[in-house]
This record gives sequence, structure tokens and C-alpha cells, in this order.
Amino acid sequence: DGGITQSPKYLFRKEGQNVTLSCEQNLNHDAMYWYRQDPGQGLRLIYYSQIVNDFQKGDIAEGYSVSREKKESFPLTVTSAQKNPTAFYLCASSIGGTVGTEAFFGQGTRLTVV
Amino acid sequence: AQKITQTQPGMFVQEKEAVTLDCTYDTSDPSYGLFWYKQPSSGEMIFLIYQGSYDQQNATEGRYSLNFQKARKSANLVISASQLGDSAMYFCAMRESSGGYQKVTFGTGTKLQVIP
Repeated sequence: DGGITQSPKYLFRKEGQNVTLSCEQNLNHDAMYWYRQDPGQGLRLIYYSQIVNDFQKGDIAEGYSVSREKKESFPLTVTSAQKNPTAFYLCASSIGGTVGTEAFFGQGTRLTVV
Repeated sequence: AQKITQTQPGMFVQEKEAVTLDCTYDTSDPSYGLFWYKQPSSGEMIFLIYQGSYDQQNATEGRYSLNFQKARKSANLVISASQLGDSAMYFCAMRESSGGYQKVTFGTGTKLQVIP
């Protein structure tokens, strides 16, 4: 079945360590997005990508990095520079080139830094 | 400035009643899309309904309808005949072009609780 897969579902890391969250889609979507959600909060855009090898900073990119080497993959690295990385991370994808299609979401990764 | 504003952190509605969740947006782009998503406690994001900026009629999907008032820049979600399973967080979102890229921005959400 087509969809977006985020792994792992739960992730624990020690403070000061970098961690990479995986996001893979087989929907043949050009656009991909990473969001952060804190308890009781909305989704805040971290990075987004329109095409392979190109991505843009969102509203809260500091302390994060991404790559887009393949169309189907958009991994997010939470670096040690991110001051408060514990959060729920959601990856999404959508058809590019139009504002008229919805974004499809993965199941999310809950990151806890101890 | 907030791109998407949802002013109701929480709402209660009696089962079988209708409820309106508010959303206002801000954009200077003439072409944009407005979306509503539902997020149950499991965390998944479920797409509910879409409204295009050029659409003349309000969008409807089953029990969901979108009250689109372009001049007021509002896109309120109306849920008719509420069910217990409608209890969840609801997010309004906007997709717009920004420097040739399409960006999707979300509001802070409204927590809806349906009372039996």
C-alpha cells in the first residue's frame, strides 16, 4: 500500500547526541515536510523540500538538518544544537506544483531526550 | 504574524449537535488552499476537507463543511450531528506558494470534546 513510513515510532537519546529520524514515502510525491508538535500545540514547520537535492528552512529550523538525496526519502537530523528536542515529529508529503492537494502524514516519531 | 489563527483552544459539544471550529488565515497570495485535519489521541493526522481560494462554493464532505468567507479570510469547519468519535484535536492549515515553493502552515489547533 502507498503511504509514508516514519521510523522509529519511539526514540530515546541522551542529551548532546545527534539523532536521525527516518521518513520514506512511496506515493511518488515531490514535496516533503517535517513538523514538530509539542504537547497541546500545533504543528510547526521545520524544513520542507520541493524536489530532490533542494530544501528550504521552515519556521523553526535551528538545531535541525535535512537531506533530500532521493525523491522518496527525507531524513531529519536533530542535532545537539537543538535546545529542547523532546517532541513529537511528523513527516508529510504532497503532490508538488499545486496548492490544491492535501498533505499525507506518517504516524510520527516521539523523541525523548534524557 | 500568525499565518493561521485558531482562537478556540478547546470546545465542548453535545452529541448529535453541530459545532463550528474557527480558523482565520493571512496571505497575500491569490492562490492558496485551505485544509482541515483531525488528530485523535493516537497522533495520526487525518485529512478532512479542502477549500481552494478560487472555489465559489463551500466545500462539503459528509458531516463536514467548510464555511469559507474569503473577504474575511476565514475558513471555519462545521461538524454536523457530532459523534463521540469526533473527540480529537482539529487543525486548520494553509498551503501557499512562497518564493516558488509550496509551504503548508498549521494553526495551533482546537481540542473538541463531544459529550454524551
